[in-house]
Order: sequence, then C-alpha cells, then structure tokens
Amino acid sequence: EAGVAQSPRYKIIEKRQSVAFWCNPISGHATLYWYQQILGQGPKLLIQFQNNGVVDDSQLPKDRFSAERLKGVDSTLKIQPAKLEDSAVYLCASSLRQIASSTDTQYFGPGTRLTVL
Amino acid sequence: AQKVTQAQTEISVVEKEDVTLDCVYETRDTTYYLFWYKQPPSGELVFLIRRNSFDEQNEISGRYSWNFQKSTSSFNFTITASQVVDSAVYFCALSEATGRRALTFGSGTRLQVQP
Repeated sequence: EAGVAQSPRYKIIEKRQSVAFWCNPISGHATLYWYQQILGQGPKLLIQFQNNGVVDDSQLPKDRFSAERLKGVDSTLKIQPAKLEDSAVYLCASSLRQIASSTDTQYFGPGTRLTVL
Repeated sequence: AQKVTQAQTEISVVEKEDVTLDCVYETRDTTYYLFWYKQPPSGELVFLIRRNSFDEQNEISGRYSWNFQKSTSSFNFTITASQVVDSAVYFCALSEATGRRALTFGSGTRLQVQP
C-alpha cells in the first residue's frame, strides 16, 4: 500500500513570495492533517479535514495560509506572502477515521522543507 | 488543554546499551490515545505504537517496550540493546479519543547511538 505522498520535498523562496505544497493521502483515508514542524520542535497542527470539510483550522494563520481539499482526496496548502518565520517542515498526515472506532492512527508523509530567505 | 512533555532533549548511548525515553502528559479527557513516533534523519515520522487510556498493560515489540502508568501520567519508551539504526528523534504524542483527534506532540528526544 502506498504511503502519504508530498511534493515538493524542498523549496527555497524569498520572503513575500507565495508557495504551495501538495499532499496525496493514503487511499481510502477520510481524514487529512497539515502540521508545521519548526526546527527543534514537535509538529503543530495547522488544519484538519474530514473528507472535503474543515474540522479544525483554529491554528492556521488565515491572513497568509490557506488550504483546500476539493474532492476529498488530494490537498494543497498555500502560503501567501511568506515570512521568515514560516521556514519549517510542512507535514501531511492521513488517517482512516472510522467513526466510533478505536483505531485511528495518523500516517505521515516525508514532508516539505521550506526555507524563506 | 493537552500538553506533552519530553524533558530529555538529547541522549547519547553506546551500542547495546538500554535506553529509556520519558514522556509525561496532561489532559482533561478521560478517554485518550498516546503515541510514539520515530523521526529518522530522512524526516518522515514513523508510527511505532498507539495505546488507549483504558489499556495500561505494558507492551513489548522486539527490542522496544512501553510502560504506561496512568497514575503518574507517563508513557515511557525503552529500547533494549540499542543499535546505531535507532538513532533518530523520538516524539511522544497525545490525542483525544473523540472529536478533533489531532495529535499534540512533545518537543522530541534526540537519541544518538554510538558504535
């Protein structure tokens, strides 16, 4: 079974430019998460989708970050305009999310390392 | 609010030594899940184990074992006879059993196993 796919793996941009990341979750997984991992820290949730609806975007800086999951499968995360402090690894994860089930493990992609100069 | 604390920032051991990574958590939920993930230098987070709050049985998987103690809100991870391939950053994480289920991560412990 294929894992979570992300692209690009690396991206370097100047501040105030825009950038987009793409994520393809594990087939059949209903829930998709975007996390931001700053160097030396644990990942922090940015946004969570259930199918194509947003479950939680309370930690997403909405003045510059946006995300969508139009058909309930792939997702894109965009930053516009980027700031120096956005330099981080952006991780996508997916889970099966069986309602009322106790099994709901998140599986992570390889991440996109963003450097803002 | 949920919180996960991994007080050990970095641990260095020599191959074949046993090592324990500590994890302490805080939550108001009565039902929750605890996780350990491994992040090797390649960067991908690899799932190691999930434990629900009702199951305090310790678990062993090969050289890995986990000790869950609800009374002290701890979920510690032990690697027996460590190997160089165990070198990585290890994260402990917590999620609600219902609702959001997003993971709250600790800050990670970097384990270096020297040959």
